[in-house]
Amino acid sequence: AQKITQTQPGMFVQEKEAVTLDCTYDTSDQSYGLFWYKQPSSGEMIFLIYQGSYDEQNATEGRYSLNFQKARKSANLVISASQLGDSAMYFCAMREPRKTSYDKVIFGPGTSLSVIP
Amino acid sequence: KAGVTQTPRYLIKTRGQQVTLSCSPISGHRSVSWYQQTPGQGLQFLFEYFSETQRNKGNFPGRFSGRQFSNSRSEMNVSTLELGDSALYLCASSLVYRFVDRGPYGYTFGSGTRLTVV
Repeated sequence: AQKITQTQPGMFVQEKEAVTLDCTYDTSDQSYGLFWYKQPSSGEMIFLIYQGSYDEQNATEGRYSLNFQKARKSANLVISASQLGDSAMYFCAMREPRKTSYDKVIFGPGTSLSVIP
Repeated sequence: KAGVTQTPRYLIKTRGQQVTLSCSPISGHRSVSWYQQTPGQGLQFLFEYFSETQRNKGNFPGRFSGRQFSNSRSEMNVSTLELGDSALYLCASSLVYRFVDRGPYGYTFGSGTRLTVV
């Protein structure tokens, strides 16, 4: 069965330092999309970054970049120059399109990131 | 521009009742998807609508249903509520509903509806 693993339940990082949040996924499909979301304590989900399985270059969005290693089935999120506002839960997710049935959409358990001043 | 609006923000219902949650997407967004978040099960995808048609569905019982109107607003309904349905229900909108290839599209989420079943 498809699965998303985030092995770091909680992480701490010093303000202005870079941090990497791990995500590994399990799929037998060649075509899929990977997403990262941020959920602050207020509860709303914020879409951060997307990587398609056929993208040869790592996705980047401002201070966020996705370290995509397809052969290892790894899609780690890198946050550069951490800010206090980056303290939140971070979720990795995968979507597998299906031509004749519903797409599969699954989420990892999340990593809680705390940025220390 | 206005974001995704979910109403109500908080709801308390009794076991066995039914509930309807509403989601108004960002203007111009035609895709609306729904998610359930609980401490035990984490985040789970419920369903997704595009142009008034259900395009995608997660693994939830038939008590969970939804619909989308011509103005892209969406509602989800849960009938015969159970204690385990207590959760944060999140709605997200986007321009399109399927994008595996690289694109500028992303999801915008609402603040959620916190449902408590007693």
